Amino acid sequence: DAGVIQSPRHEVTEMGQEVTLRCKPISGHNSLFWYRQTMMRGLELLIYFNNNVPIDDSGMPEDRFSAKMPNASFSTLKIQPSEPRDSAVYFCASSLETVAEPNYGYTFGSGTRLTVV
Amino acid sequence: DAKTTQPNSMESNEEEPVHLPCNHSTISGTDYIHWYRQLPSQGPEYVIHGLTSNVNNRMASLAIAEDRKSSTLILHRATLRDAAVYYCILRDVLAYGGATNKLIFGTGTLLAVQP
Repeated sequence: DAGVIQSPRHEVTEMGQEVTLRCKPISGHNSLFWYRQTMMRGLELLIYFNNNVPIDDSGMPEDRFSAKMPNASFSTLKIQPSEPRDSAVYFCASSLETVAEPNYGYTFGSGTRLTVV
Repeated sequence: DAKTTQPNSMESNEEEPVHLPCNHSTISGTDYIHWYRQLPSQGPEYVIHGLTSNVNNRMASLAIAEDRKSSTLILHRATLRDAAVYYCILRDVLAYGGATNKLIFGTGTLLAVQP
């Protein structure tokens, strides 16, 4: 398995532009997570999908952020309009969580380093 | 959420054992103890998890105190590749599928390994 695949690896954009980050989870996994990491705030969970349905988006900073999971093999995190304070590394992770095995480990992608200038 | 407390940093020498402590005095009966690590410029990776009994896998061992208020991740022979931030996290197994069944990362312990 290729693992969790994120694209692009690096993104530099100007303030005010729309940014779309992409994630392909591991085939067969039923849960997907978007995290953001900065030096100041560490790793923050932004949103959590289970079976393609958003379960908890309480970590999404504001209305400029939106996430979708149209099918089990693809998710996007969109920022519109982007601001310099959105500069961070964004990680996607997936997991196979069931009632029988609720502690299945998360597999993280390599992240997208976003720089907003 | 039940919280964990870890030292900010630790140092070890290559090929020596490393014991990374974690305190979780408010742990509930249904909380599992999970450990992840993050190597430089990479995403976090799963290391090990346990509930009450000590656990071993190919990466590490997890020793859990009898009262479950603390645990220790043990790397038996540290290598330079083990230099990373190690996170100790509690997960409520009963919250499966709900808003609280998620990994919340703290600040972790930065492990430096000297050659």
